[in-house]
Amino acid sequence: DSGVTQTPKHLITATGQRVTLRCSPRSGDLSVYWYQQSLDQGLQFLIQYYNGEERAKGNILERFSAQQFPDLHSELNLSSLELGDSALYFCASSTGQGGNSPLHFGNGTRLTVT
Amino acid sequence: GEDVEQSLFLSVREGDSSVINCTYTDSSSTYLYWYKQEPGAGLQLLTYIFSNMDMKQDQRLTVLLNKKDKHLSLRIADTQTGDSAIYFCADSTSGADGLTFGKGTHLIIQP
Repeated sequence: DSGVTQTPKHLITATGQRVTLRCSPRSGDLSVYWYQQSLDQGLQFLIQYYNGEERAKGNILERFSAQQFPDLHSELNLSSLELGDSALYFCASSTGQGGNSPLHFGNGTRLTVT
Repeated sequence: GEDVEQSLFLSVREGDSSVINCTYTDSSSTYLYWYKQEPGAGLQLLTYIFSNMDMKQDQRLTVLLNKKDKHLSLRIADTQTGDSAIYFCADSTSGADGLTFGKGTHLIIQP
């Protein structure tokens, strides 16, 4: 068990809808990262937060947004969903800001858009 | 930009050693990581190595780093059926954010 909790485990929704994925980092970790995993694109970095502030953006679409709350949990919001958004979405946490501390991953949320 | 390359599949016989290879392009990589993903699960951190090290051993796992050639390998001794998974190589650079992952190597164990 990595200590990172993601909910829900599975999500099935229709095109055009909006969903929210939730992540609780390991106790003591200040950084939260979101990744998307799909068969064709592999693991893509979406966005990182550190202690409530956005730290870095990767390949995140404008339809997607995220935030980290004062209690350090994070939410990833996906709107105007398309079929191609179907993927596994992982949250990871680490103690530091950069890549010099290992990332610990949750078990992911599997999103299916129909 | 940064790139991390791995072969997609590796098939080994149970009891043999598995060697999973990875190459990366970013010469300023500071830490290099190996993660394991079993079906339906998240990525489990296996081990990592700092860029000024050549080798790191942890029980059945041996990591070798050739910084000159930007080549990283993970050796699993006495491979067991429970080692069947996807193995991801990832690198980081000081001050950068997130990790850059390879596409993963599917390790297939033959009885």
